[in-house]
Amino acid sequence: DQQVKQNSPSLSVQEGRISILNCDYTNSMFDYFLWYKKYPAEGPTFLISISSIKDKNEDGRFTVFLNKSAKHLSLHIVPSQPGDSAVYFCAASGLQGAQKLVFGQGTRLTINP
Amino acid sequence: NAGVMQNPRHLVRRRGQEARLRCSPMKGHSHVYWYRQLPEEGLKFMVYLQKENIIDESGMPKERFSAEFPKEGPSILRIQQVVRGDSAAYFCASSPFPGVSNSPLHFGNGTRLTVT
Repeated sequence: DQQVKQNSPSLSVQEGRISILNCDYTNSMFDYFLWYKKYPAEGPTFLISISSIKDKNEDGRFTVFLNKSAKHLSLHIVPSQPGDSAVYFCAASGLQGAQKLVFGQGTRLTINP
Repeated sequence: NAGVMQNPRHLVRRRGQEARLRCSPMKGHSHVYWYRQLPEEGLKFMVYLQKENIIDESGMPKERFSAEFPKEGPSILRIQQVVRGDSAAYFCASSPFPGVSNSPLHFGNGTRLTVT
């Protein structure tokens, strides 16, 4: 029962272009969504979040879009930089708040110079 | 380093042995969460603890796994009689306040358990 799905295991983007990572969820009770970035042998690092009352949140080069009717969210990184190469996890939470998270399987982003 | 500290970073155990994983939360954080990441999968919630209390253990396997967060000292995740399927990365996270949407979890670098 995969409630949060990231259907692309990997993505390769040229430096300077836009990276778009996608995430779908099935549980309509989720009301808070987060993106985490993870480098090898390190823990996940919080990147950006969005509440279900919004459809967009922007922080520098990172923008998260939420489409509640489609139960879909996406992370846009522009412009992409080599240091963005990492595994990106989408996560969702419900009434318990931002701590009891349900994670997707992750998408490995590679930025090519 | 004021971050979430986990040790050991790597732990090798033979089948049937016990594994003890330690987590010290960020300074000022009194809420600890344990997550497990199996190979090629996302992280899965295991347990949520406050000092001396288990708040939510809905993600913990029913047998062999236990967790504690004593009044003094780190949080401990204990796995008894380990099996090969326990091989995974175990991440601890902490938060100053529970249930607050603008307080995302801060994760440690994990303990990689290998069962031989």
